[in-house]
Amino acid sequence: DAGITQSPRYKITETGRQVTLMCHQTWSHSYMFWYRQDLGHGLRLIYYSAAADITDKGEVPDGYVVSRSKTENFPLTLESATRSQTSVYFCASRGLVYEQYFGPGTRLTVT
Amino acid sequence: AQKVTQAQTEISVVEKEDVTLDCVYETRDTTYYLFWYKQPPSGELVFLIRRNSFDEQNEISGRYSWNFQKSTSSFNFTITASQVVDSAVYFCALNRYSGAGSYQLTFGKGTKLSVIP
Repeated sequence: DAGITQSPRYKITETGRQVTLMCHQTWSHSYMFWYRQDLGHGLRLIYYSAAADITDKGEVPDGYVVSRSKTENFPLTLESATRSQTSVYFCASRGLVYEQYFGPGTRLTVT
Repeated sequence: AQKVTQAQTEISVVEKEDVTLDCVYETRDTTYYLFWYKQPPSGELVFLIRRNSFDEQNEISGRYSWNFQKSTSSFNFTITASQVVDSAVYFCALNRYSGAGSYQLTFGKGTKLSVIP
């Protein structure tokens, strides 16, 4: 299916564990983004990528790692999950005129 | 500084009423884009509209209309004859230059619209 997908959709993990959230898009968009959405904070940018092998920090990058070896994939890794990283995570890719298209989101709970 | 303000945190209307969601922005850029997104209770974020700073024409799409006024730095969204399916959180966003040829979106905090049957 064309579009942007995220997996898993729901994840429960324990404090200290490594977790990787996957993001895949079929449009060949150059730019991709990771956001977290928390009540009271709205959408905050974690990391973004301008192309394969080019990534940069957003507003709240601490505790997260990204990579982008292929244009279509942009995984987000929590190296050692903390309770404060409990959130809904959205991946997005950017269309032709700056609009962003979002994936369905991953709801992550860190216990 | 780039900023998007949605002063209305929550709005409730009765079905078939018209409702306007306010969005005020701040930017130093002379060329910029504004956006509206919808987040229904199911959680996904849906792109609704993009408007560039050179085009101040109002836009209408079915029951939705958008009023862009550069003089007041506002980009308001009106739903005519609201329906229960319009219940969602609506986000206004502004694209901003973040250096090295990259642009990011700055989002407002969102307005939660509840349409009561």
